[in-house]
Amino acid sequence: AQSVTQLDSQVPVFEEAPVELRCNYSSSVSVYLFWYVQYPNQGLQLLLKYLSGSTLVKGINGFEAEFKKSETSFHLTKPSAHMSDAAEYFCVVSLTGFQKLVFGTGTRLLVSP
Amino acid sequence: DGGITQSPKYLFRKEGQNVTLSCEQNLNHDAMYWYRQDPGQGLRLIYYSQIVNDFQKGDIAEGYSVSREKKESFPLTVTSAQKNPTAFYLCASSIVGPREGQPQHFGDGTRLSIL
Repeated sequence: AQSVTQLDSQVPVFEEAPVELRCNYSSSVSVYLFWYVQYPNQGLQLLLKYLSGSTLVKGINGFEAEFKKSETSFHLTKPSAHMSDAAEYFCVVSLTGFQKLVFGTGTRLLVSP
Repeated sequence: DGGITQSPKYLFRKEGQNVTLSCEQNLNHDAMYWYRQDPGQGLRLIYYSQIVNDFQKGDIAEGYSVSREKKESFPLTVTSAQKNPTAFYLCASSIVGPREGQPQHFGDGTRLSIL
Protein backbone atom coordinates (compact mmCIF):
# COMPACT_ATOMS: atom_id res chain seq x y z
CA ALA A 1 0.00 0.00 0.00
CA GLN A 2 1.09 3.54 -0.62
CA SER A 3 1.63 6.00 2.20
CA VAL A 4 2.84 9.54 2.68
CA THR A 5 4.67 10.83 5.74
CA GLN A 6 4.96 14.49 6.55
CA LEU A 7 7.45 14.51 9.35
CA ASP A 8 6.50 17.85 10.91
CA SER A 9 3.00 18.80 11.99
CA GLN A 10 4.11 22.43 12.36
CA VAL A 11 7.05 24.41 11.01
CA PRO A 12 7.66 27.90 12.46
CA VAL A 13 9.78 30.36 10.48
CA PHE A 14 10.47 34.07 10.52
CA GLU A 15 9.47 36.25 7.61
CA GLU A 16 12.15 36.21 4.86
CA ALA A 17 13.73 33.03 6.27
CA PRO A 18 13.97 29.92 4.07
CA VAL A 19 11.28 27.27 4.25
CA GLU A 20 11.55 23.48 4.01
CA LEU A 21 8.58 21.18 4.48
CA ARG A 22 9.51 17.52 4.44
CA CYS A 23 7.68 14.68 2.72
CA ASN A 24 8.54 11.01 2.33
CA TYR A 25 6.46 8.40 0.57
CA SER A 26 6.42 4.65 0.25
CA SER A 27 5.32 2.81 -2.85
CA SER A 28 6.45 -0.25 -4.76
CA VAL A 29 5.28 1.22 -8.07
CA SER A 30 5.75 4.50 -9.90
CA VAL A 31 3.88 7.45 -8.49
CA TYR A 32 2.97 11.02 -9.22
CA LEU A 33 3.63 13.56 -6.50
CA PHE A 34 1.83 16.78 -5.62
CA TRP A 35 1.92 19.55 -3.05
CA TYR A 36 -1.31 21.33 -2.18
CA VAL A 37 -1.86 24.36 0.07
CA GLN A 38 -4.94 25.02 2.21
CA TYR A 39 -5.82 28.36 3.75
CA PRO A 40 -8.22 28.41 6.75
CA ASN A 41 -11.76 27.25 5.94
CA GLN A 42 -10.97 26.89 2.26
CA GLY A 43 -10.37 24.08 -0.18
CA LEU A 44 -7.00 22.89 -1.43
CA GLN A 45 -5.02 24.64 -4.14
CA LEU A 46 -2.37 22.92 -6.24
CA LEU A 47 1.13 24.29 -5.64
CA LEU A 48 3.12 21.99 -7.92
CA LYS A 49 3.30 18.48 -9.32
CA TYR A 50 5.88 15.94 -10.41
CA LEU A 51 4.84 13.54 -13.16
CA SER A 52 8.11 12.74 -14.94
CA GLY A 53 11.18 14.42 -16.40
CA SER A 54 13.15 17.02 -14.44
CA THR A 55 13.24 16.14 -10.79
CA LEU A 56 13.24 19.80 -9.71
CA VAL A 57 9.73 21.16 -10.03
CA LYS A 58 8.78 24.81 -9.75
CA GLY A 59 5.34 25.84 -8.59
CA ILE A 60 3.32 28.91 -7.78
CA ASN A 61 4.18 31.55 -5.18
CA GLY A 62 7.94 30.83 -5.44
CA PHE A 63 7.77 27.27 -4.11
CA GLU A 64 9.70 24.37 -5.58
CA ALA A 65 10.22 20.70 -4.76
CA GLU A 66 12.80 18.09 -5.67
CA PHE A 67 11.93 14.46 -6.34
CA LYS A 68 14.61 12.13 -4.97
CA LYS A 69 13.73 8.58 -5.89
CA SER A 70 16.61 7.02 -3.95
CA GLU A 71 15.42 8.75 -0.79
CA THR A 72 11.69 8.46 -1.63
CA SER A 73 11.38 12.14 -0.75
CA PHE A 74 9.64 15.17 -2.22
CA HIS A 75 10.50 18.08 0.07
CA LEU A 76 8.95 21.51 -0.54
CA THR A 77 11.17 24.60 -0.30
CA LYS A 78 11.03 28.35 -0.68
CA PRO A 79 14.02 30.71 -0.36
CA SER A 80 12.19 33.43 1.57
CA ALA A 81 8.92 33.14 3.50
CA HIS A 82 6.16 35.75 3.31
CA MET A 83 3.43 36.28 5.87
CA SER A 84 0.92 35.22 3.21
CA ASP A 85 2.54 31.75 3.07
CA ALA A 86 1.07 30.85 6.47
CA ALA A 87 -1.21 27.90 5.71
CA GLU A 88 -1.39 24.12 5.83
CA TYR A 89 0.53 22.17 3.22
CA PHE A 90 -0.26 18.65 2.06
CA CYS A 91 2.02 16.24 0.26
CA VAL A 92 0.02 13.90 -1.96
CA VAL A 93 0.78 10.73 -3.89
CA SER A 94 -1.11 9.32 -6.85
CA LEU A 95 -0.47 5.93 -8.42
CA THR A 96 0.27 5.95 -12.11
CA GLY A 97 -2.76 4.88 -14.10
CA PHE A 98 -5.22 5.67 -11.33
CA GLN A 99 -6.88 8.80 -10.06
CA LYS A 100 -6.92 8.01 -6.35
CA LEU A 101 -4.87 10.35 -4.17
CA VAL A 102 -3.20 9.49 -0.86
CA PHE A 103 -2.73 12.49 1.41
CA GLY A 104 -0.16 13.17 4.09
CA THR A 105 -1.40 14.47 7.41
CA GLY A 106 -0.34 18.03 6.58
CA THR A 107 2.22 20.53 7.85
CA ARG A 108 1.14 23.87 9.22
CA LEU A 109 3.57 26.64 8.24
CA LEU A 110 3.69 29.41 10.83
CA VAL A 111 5.31 32.68 9.73
CA SER A 112 6.32 35.31 12.29
CA PRO A 113 7.39 38.89 11.58
CA ASP B 1 -14.94 31.53 -14.05
CA GLY B 2 -14.93 27.74 -13.95
CA GLY B 3 -14.82 26.05 -10.60
CA ILE B 4 -16.43 23.89 -7.96
CA THR B 5 -19.23 25.18 -5.76
CA GLN B 6 -20.05 23.52 -2.47
CA SER B 7 -23.09 24.46 -0.43
CA PRO B 8 -23.89 25.21 2.24
CA LYS B 9 -20.66 26.44 3.81
CA TYR B 10 -21.88 25.49 7.30
CA LEU B 11 -24.42 22.79 8.15
CA PHE B 12 -25.85 21.50 11.39
CA ARG B 13 -27.34 18.06 11.85
CA LYS B 14 -29.62 16.77 14.57
CA GLU B 15 -29.29 13.24 15.90
CA GLY B 16 -30.94 10.70 13.60
CA GLN B 17 -31.18 13.10 10.69
CA ASN B 18 -29.87 12.67 7.16
CA VAL B 19 -28.30 15.71 5.52
CA THR B 20 -27.18 16.31 1.95
CA LEU B 21 -24.14 18.33 0.89
CA SER B 22 -24.18 19.84 -2.57
CA CYS B 23 -21.28 19.86 -5.03
CA GLU B 24 -21.53 21.39 -8.50
CA GLN B 25 -18.73 21.87 -11.05
CA ASN B 26 -18.62 23.71 -14.36
CA LEU B 27 -15.15 22.51 -15.37
CA ASN B 28 -16.54 19.76 -17.61
CA HIS B 29 -14.60 17.21 -15.58
CA ASP B 30 -15.61 13.56 -15.76
CA ALA B 31 -14.38 12.52 -12.30
CA MET B 32 -15.64 13.82 -8.97
CA TYR B 33 -14.65 12.99 -5.40
CA TRP B 34 -15.74 13.48 -1.81
CA TYR B 35 -13.24 13.75 1.02
CA ARG B 36 -13.56 14.08 4.75
CA GLN B 37 -11.01 16.17 6.65
CA ASP B 38 -10.42 15.82 10.38
CA PRO B 39 -7.75 17.72 12.33
CA GLY B 40 -4.34 16.06 12.09
CA GLN B 41 -5.56 13.31 9.74
CA GLY B 42 -5.29 14.80 6.29
CA LEU B 43 -8.01 13.99 3.77
CA ARG B 44 -9.73 10.64 3.48
CA LEU B 45 -11.67 9.52 0.42
CA ILE B 46 -15.37 8.79 0.95
CA TYR B 47 -16.67 8.16 -2.59
CA TYR B 48 -15.61 8.90 -6.13
CA SER B 49 -17.19 8.79 -9.55
CA GLN B 50 -15.47 8.65 -12.91
CA ILE B 51 -18.59 8.74 -15.06
CA VAL B 52 -22.27 9.60 -14.81
CA ASN B 53 -24.42 6.94 -13.11
CA ASP B 54 -21.39 5.16 -11.68
CA PHE B 55 -19.50 5.62 -8.41
CA GLN B 56 -17.13 3.70 -6.19
CA LYS B 57 -16.59 3.49 -2.44
CA GLY B 58 -13.49 5.07 -1.05
CA ASP B 59 -11.74 4.29 2.20
CA ILE B 60 -14.46 5.48 4.61
CA ALA B 61 -17.80 5.06 2.78
CA GLU B 62 -19.80 3.64 5.69
CA GLY B 63 -22.61 5.97 6.74
CA TYR B 64 -22.49 7.97 3.49
CA SER B 65 -24.26 7.75 0.14
CA VAL B 66 -23.86 9.55 -3.19
CA SER B 67 -25.50 9.86 -6.58
CA ARG B 68 -24.21 10.97 -9.97
CA GLU B 69 -27.19 11.66 -12.22
CA LYS B 70 -25.54 14.59 -13.99
CA LYS B 71 -21.94 15.17 -14.99
CA GLU B 72 -21.74 18.46 -13.13
CA SER B 73 -23.33 17.34 -9.84
CA PHE B 74 -22.20 14.88 -7.14
CA PRO B 75 -24.23 15.30 -3.91
CA LEU B 76 -23.19 13.55 -0.71
CA THR B 77 -25.71 12.39 1.89
CA VAL B 78 -24.52 11.92 5.44
CA THR B 79 -26.91 9.39 6.92
CA SER B 80 -27.88 8.77 10.54
CA ALA B 81 -25.68 5.66 10.38
CA GLN B 82 -22.60 7.90 10.39
CA LYS B 83 -21.99 8.16 14.12
CA ASN B 84 -19.28 10.79 14.02
CA PRO B 85 -20.17 13.14 11.16
CA THR B 86 -18.59 16.32 12.53
CA ALA B 87 -15.88 17.21 10.01
CA PHE B 88 -14.94 19.41 7.08
CA TYR B 89 -16.13 17.91 3.78
CA LEU B 90 -14.37 18.66 0.52
CA CYS B 91 -15.52 17.95 -3.01
CA ALA B 92 -13.07 17.71 -5.89
CA SER B 93 -13.05 17.01 -9.61
CA SER B 94 -10.52 16.07 -12.27
CA ILE B 95 -10.06 15.13 -15.89
CA VAL B 96 -9.98 11.39 -16.57
CA GLY B 97 -7.41 9.94 -19.03
CA PRO B 98 -5.71 9.69 -21.46
CA ARG B 99 -3.21 11.95 -19.72
CA GLU B 100 -2.34 10.57 -16.31
CA GLY B 101 -1.43 12.53 -13.25
CA GLN B 102 -4.21 15.08 -13.64
CA PRO B 103 -4.50 17.17 -10.47
CA GLN B 104 -7.76 17.43 -8.62
CA HIS B 105 -9.53 20.77 -8.23
CA PHE B 106 -11.23 21.43 -4.90
CA GLY B 107 -14.26 23.34 -3.70
CA ASP B 108 -14.17 25.50 -0.57
CA GLY B 109 -15.76 22.85 1.63
CA THR B 110 -18.75 22.37 3.92
CA ARG B 111 -18.31 22.25 7.68
CA LEU B 112 -20.79 19.86 9.27
CA SER B 113 -21.52 19.94 13.00
CA ILE B 114 -23.85 18.02 15.30
CA LEU B 115 -26.45 19.86 17.35
